[in-house]
Amino acid sequence: GQNIDQPTEMTATEGAIVQINCTYQTSGFNGLFWYQQHAGEAPTFLSYNVLDGLEEKGRFSSFLSRSKGYSYLLLKELQMKDSASYLCAVMDSNYQLIWGAGTKLIIKP
Amino acid sequence: IAGITQAPTSQILAAGRRMTLRCTQDMRHNAMYWYRQDLGLGLRLIHYSNTAGTTGKGEVPDGYSVSRANTDDFPLTLASAVPSQTSVYFCASSDLGSTDTQYFGPGTRLTVL
Repeated sequence: GQNIDQPTEMTATEGAIVQINCTYQTSGFNGLFWYQQHAGEAPTFLSYNVLDGLEEKGRFSSFLSRSKGYSYLLLKELQMKDSASYLCAVMDSNYQLIWGAGTKLIIKP
Repeated sequence: IAGITQAPTSQILAAGRRMTLRCTQDMRHNAMYWYRQDLGLGLRLIHYSNTAGTTGKGEVPDGYSVSRANTDDFPLTLASAVPSQTSVYFCASSDLGSTDTQYFGPGTRLTVL
């Protein structure tokens, strides 16, 4: 079967750095997405990786290793507004997104 | 403002009733999707449409139907609602074959009693 694993919850301090990991097993691979979802709101797109390596976008970076079935989202200079759930999703061979359950990130002052 | 709209925002429904959730996008995306999101679970695909006039079943299609008469609209119908369909429903769209990034509507919170 297809599976996306990510930690259920993480806690970090304002101003610090946090890394959210995602491992996946899917039938085919056509890219990996990270979304941010604030409580009670819709998911919003953060990043997309299809090739191995690091993609940097401001305070957020995303890394992919296809051979290891592994990705991480790195958030730097954490702000209170970064408190949200972070969703990892893989596009499979049918171009359908398979979603992880999300990681709830709690930021403490 | 370009984007996706959903209606209603929330609804409480008696079991056995019929309900249609509406979704409209103005980005001219070819593909549209319906997901449900339940606590502790990832988003689960109910139905999708890669282009107007075609639809397909996702991971959890039972009890739901969709239609795609034109590019902009993608309604989701619950023919006879059951309590297990209590969930938050998100509609999304993407320019499939281009960026493939899915953009989400604000969601509909549905409670079936």
